[in-house]
Amino acid sequence: QQPVQSPQAVILREGEDAVINCSSSKALYSVHWYRQKHGEAPVFLMILLKGGEQKGHEKISASFNEKKQQSSLYLTASQLSYSGTYFCGTEIRSSNTGKLIFGQGTTLQVKP
Amino acid sequence: NAGVTQTPKFQVLKTGQSMTLQCAQDMNHEYMSWYRQDPGMGLRLIHYSVGAGITDQGEVPNGYNVSRSTTEDFPLRLLSAAPSQTSVYFCASSYSRGATDTQYFGPGTRLTVL
Repeated sequence: QQPVQSPQAVILREGEDAVINCSSSKALYSVHWYRQKHGEAPVFLMILLKGGEQKGHEKISASFNEKKQQSSLYLTASQLSYSGTYFCGTEIRSSNTGKLIFGQGTTLQVKP
Repeated sequence: NAGVTQTPKFQVLKTGQSMTLQCAQDMNHEYMSWYRQDPGMGLRLIHYSVGAGITDQGEVPNGYNVSRSTTEDFPLRLLSAAPSQTSVYFCASSYSRGATDTQYFGPGTRLTVL
């Protein structure tokens, strides 16, 4: 049931763009995105609740394609502060439990 | 508000010992959960609770017990520690359903089992 994230790791230069994907084999009710800095707790970025929804957070935005059971996180004009590990979290629609299952994470490194 | 607090920050146990990881929140959140984080495995759900007196299993519940006697506290008990339980443990809470509400994570407990 764990969603699958791709790629596993990304290395960028400042100012470059990146896309992180999150997909599930089961129908999804919602998708969360979190970022974790080394040695710290994950921090909330955004939630997407309906198919086709797109949200933004500064230069970070995300889309949720309910039919394809996948979400993508877009980081534009990356900054050094974007470095960290990004996790998507999902609830399986049929479970109706409200529990949140996370993917394995994508490590992003932004270099000067 | 202190948010989500966890104690201890670090712990070393010997195989077979038991212990309780503490988690508390002062935001009146109904939903609380425990995750473990291992390299390359992401965050895996151990147990969760949708309110006082109600708990349920997550993805990796074996070897762990939980209870929720109050809204504020959600302790995680290791019954007989094993080296495979060496991990970083995060507690999280949200105002309502975990899947549709922002999760606030505690600072984590780093556990080593020898």
